[in-house]
Amino acid sequence: SQTIHQWPATLVQPVGSPLSLECTVEGTSNPNLYWYRQAAGRGLQLLFYSVGIGQISSEVPQNLSASRPQDRQFILSSKKLLLSDSGFYLCAWSWTPPYEQYFGPGTRLTVT
Amino acid sequence: DQQVKQNSPSLSVQEGRISILNCDYTNSMFDYFLWYKKYPAEGPTFLISISSIKDKNEDGRFTVFLNKSAKHLSLHIVPSQPGDSAVYFCAASAPGANSKLTFGKGITLSVRP
Repeated sequence: SQTIHQWPATLVQPVGSPLSLECTVEGTSNPNLYWYRQAAGRGLQLLFYSVGIGQISSEVPQNLSASRPQDRQFILSSKKLLLSDSGFYLCAWSWTPPYEQYFGPGTRLTVT
Repeated sequence: DQQVKQNSPSLSVQEGRISILNCDYTNSMFDYFLWYKKYPAEGPTFLISISSIKDKNEDGRFTVFLNKSAKHLSLHIVPSQPGDSAVYFCAASAPGANSKLTFGKGITLSVRP
């Protein structure tokens, strides 16, 4: 069976500090990978998706970047965090098809 | 432009009764629809999906109905249980979208014992 991991679970960072969130998937190969953010009281906003190693598509221009150095590893980064980067960050994977995406447990990021 | 809309932010239902969660969409290219359930501080969990070639899909207590002409879908939960209390997200996908999903803002369901 497939498992998706995210870490850390919670993170408190000062404004202007760097960020690195990691996501790994086990039990499958060549999945599509996604990063979402859920801001307080909001829906799920797709930030980045990847259909293969080194292939990253950005959905929303912002202070963040993503990388996929290995087939089942997806990293979300920032060089300098903003207060508006606070939120709940979710990684997900899927096959194509079907369209179901399966989510990790999430990372709660608070920028102070 | 919000392509998937969940206009009611919350719903409260008595245990044992039916919960009906609604979702509307504007993009006529969407051909696959999904519902997710999310507890606080956890990732969403896939519940049920429906292809545009169907108008109903059932899985246990959960049934999703699709009305393509109205661009409307609904999730029925029967009977509702207190453990169903969560945020429910409607999502949709279009062909060739690399399985990208467009999510609604979610509905908070509260099931009263």
